[in-house]
Amino acid sequence: ILNVEQSPQSLHVQEGDSTNFTCSFPSSNFYALHWYRWETAKSPEALFVMTLNGDEKKKGRISATLNTKEGYSYLYIKGSQPEDSATYLCASLGQAGTALIFGKGTTLSVSS
Amino acid sequence: NAGVTQTPKFQVLKTGQSMTLQCAQDMNHNSMYWYRQDPGMGLRLIYYSASEGTTDKGEVPNGYNVSRLNKREFSLRLESAAPSQTSVYFCASSELGLARETQYFGPGTRLLVL
Repeated sequence: ILNVEQSPQSLHVQEGDSTNFTCSFPSSNFYALHWYRWETAKSPEALFVMTLNGDEKKKGRISATLNTKEGYSYLYIKGSQPEDSATYLCASLGQAGTALIFGKGTTLSVSS
Repeated sequence: NAGVTQTPKFQVLKTGQSMTLQCAQDMNHNSMYWYRQDPGMGLRLIYYSASEGTTDKGEVPNGYNVSRLNKREFSLRLESAAPSQTSVYFCASSELGLARETQYFGPGTRLLVL
C-alpha cells in the first residue's frame, strides 16, 4: 500500500499569517497528486490535481507545488483568514487503475 | 445538479444488525468509491467501482459488500455490523477514474454500532 504522509498534523496561526504544509509520497511510479480542503461537517472539496514535476497551481490565496522526483508537494496559504480553517488532505495514486491513497491531513486553525 | 447524495445521514445499529448505505450521483460519472473516515486515520478506501458492472477491493474491505446497481448508484452493505465499523462513510465519484481527475464527495453517513 502506498504511504502518503502529511506534516504537520495540525497548526494554529493568526489571521494574516502565511503558512505552508507538506505532503510526502513515494516518488516511484507517480501518476497524480491531489489536494482537498475539508471543512468540519462538510465533505472534502478538491483544490488541485497535479501530475507533472514542477507543477505549480494557484487558486486565490492558496497555491501548491509538486516535486515528483523527490516525492513531495507543498501547499501554501498566503494571508490566512478564519474561513481557511479546515483540514487539508493530500492523496496520491501510485499506479494507474488503482484508487487514491489519502494522507491523514493537516488541520489548520486561523484565529482572528 | 445534486452532485453526490448519500442516505441515511446518520444511523445507529446494534452489533449483528445489517444495513445498506446508499449513494447516487447525477454527474454521469463512470467511477464511484466508498471511503471510511476514522479519527487519526484519514480517509481509507473500502471498495471502488471503476465502471458499471465492476467492483474492486480497496484498503479495508473486510466486513463490507458493495453493489454497483447502475451507473448512478453504488451501495455499501454491512451484513453483520460490528463496533469497529463505527465511522463516517463517504461516497465519491469521478468521471473516468483516471489519476488526474477530481473526485467529488457526498455529505457522508455517520454510523454508530453499539
